[in-house]
Amino acid sequence: GENVEQHPSTLSVQEGDSAVIKCTYSDSASNYFPWYKQELGKRPQLIIDIRSNVGEKKDQRIAVTLNKTAKHFSLHITETQPEDSAVYFCAANNAGNMLTFGGGTRLMVKP
Amino acid sequence: DAGVIQSPRHEVTEMGQEVTLRCKPISGHNSLFWYRQTMMRGLELLIYFNNNVPIDDSGMPEDRFSAKMPNASFSTLKIQPSEPRDSAVYFCASSLGIGTNEKLFFGSGTQLSVL
Repeated sequence: GENVEQHPSTLSVQEGDSAVIKCTYSDSASNYFPWYKQELGKRPQLIIDIRSNVGEKKDQRIAVTLNKTAKHFSLHITETQPEDSAVYFCAANNAGNMLTFGGGTRLMVKP
Repeated sequence: DAGVIQSPRHEVTEMGQEVTLRCKPISGHNSLFWYRQTMMRGLELLIYFNNNVPIDDSGMPEDRFSAKMPNASFSTLKIQPSEPRDSAVYFCASSLGIGTNEKLFFGSGTQLSVL
């Protein structure tokens, strides 16, 4: 089955700096890669996703890149703000189109 | 739409008791998922339904766990008997269907504590 590895597990940045979270996946058939943000005590919420037919997607301060050959994808947050502090999860779909989640990255943005 | 609705938000019970978690998916969504979240194991898929039919329950940890979806608007996850290691946040999620175009929407979760 699909295996998704996520790094780093914690990330601390200064407000205004960029943050990058990386994920690798094992199933070469995976073609959908969403990212979820989970604030403390809240539900995971989809913030951006990318499909295998594109290499990059942007939405304001967040962007995702995908390298299908290397089987890795990344989340980039620019000009970080304190409200970006949360746990971020990457995910990839498997042959049954079920999502397998990475272990999560706790991002802390220091003001 | 109110989104995916779960109840209760918090449940505290004693070891050996039966626990029932409830979920109402978003109206019109055909797929429903139960996840468990812990610090050690992250987000784990327990079981999912498509059109009220259980498709894959390979993530259900033990026979003590069971899930039902009697109709398109309601699902339950039952633990009987409960054990302290079942303590976790249990999320229900729904999507329009199963496929690469189907975004997953999570409920607020049930924080379960088994003493």
